[in-house]
Amino acid sequence: EVQLVQSGAEVKKPGESLKISCQGSGYIFTDYWIGWVRQMPGKGLEWMGIIYPDDSDTRYSPSFQGQVTISADKSINIAYLQWSSLKASDTAMYYCARRGLYFDSWGQGTQVTVSS
Amino acid sequence: QPVLTQPPSASASLGASVTLTCTLSSGYSKYKVDWYQQRPGKGPRFVMQVGSGGIVGSKGEGIPDRFSVLGSGLNRYLTIKNIQEEDESDYHCGADHGSGSNFAYVVFGGGTKLTVL
Repeated sequence: EVQLVQSGAEVKKPGESLKISCQGSGYIFTDYWIGWVRQMPGKGLEWMGIIYPDDSDTRYSPSFQGQVTISADKSINIAYLQWSSLKASDTAMYYCARRGLYFDSWGQGTQVTVSS
Repeated sequence: QPVLTQPPSASASLGASVTLTCTLSSGYSKYKVDWYQQRPGKGPRFVMQVGSGGIVGSKGEGIPDRFSVLGSGLNRYLTIKNIQEEDESDYHCGADHGSGSNFAYVVFGGGTKLTVL
């Protein structure tokens, strides 16, 4: 069974750094892209970027380029999303999702709350 | 890249049918669209992919036969027949460009909240 398991909820202060994770299992991790999607409270889905774990080829949405860093460690089947300096506007649910021809499997989501 | 437009809300009575619409921006009539269902408090799940000729590939795991899609011009439709309480969800459409080393982007519509009356 394909599974993407994300790290737990985080509460941070503005200016702090953060790295959340997404561990894949039940499939060959290096055969599929892993994407990250933001969902702000009460809003729709926003594609942030995507990584191919085999060679770490990474693509970013222009809206998120320079704001976050996506990485992966294929030796342990984990993809990461990180911020160097969080803002209150980064408060949202973040999902990772496996992409073949579409996003066919999703993580359970990681809630990130940024508040002073 | 295309812009996907969805009405913010829709409603239908229990047992009735409803059609949700995702409209591609001009010039993108050949693009396929993916439909995702997001139940309250849950993550999205893939429903099915639709092109101008209809469904592409298979439905997502556990998606009942009551769900079907159609494509026409710039519109991509998701129809749900014999609506059940469990269908009350947000429905998102998404489209991408490229694959493999040519992968460029993914865009999503704003989502439609379906209320079952």
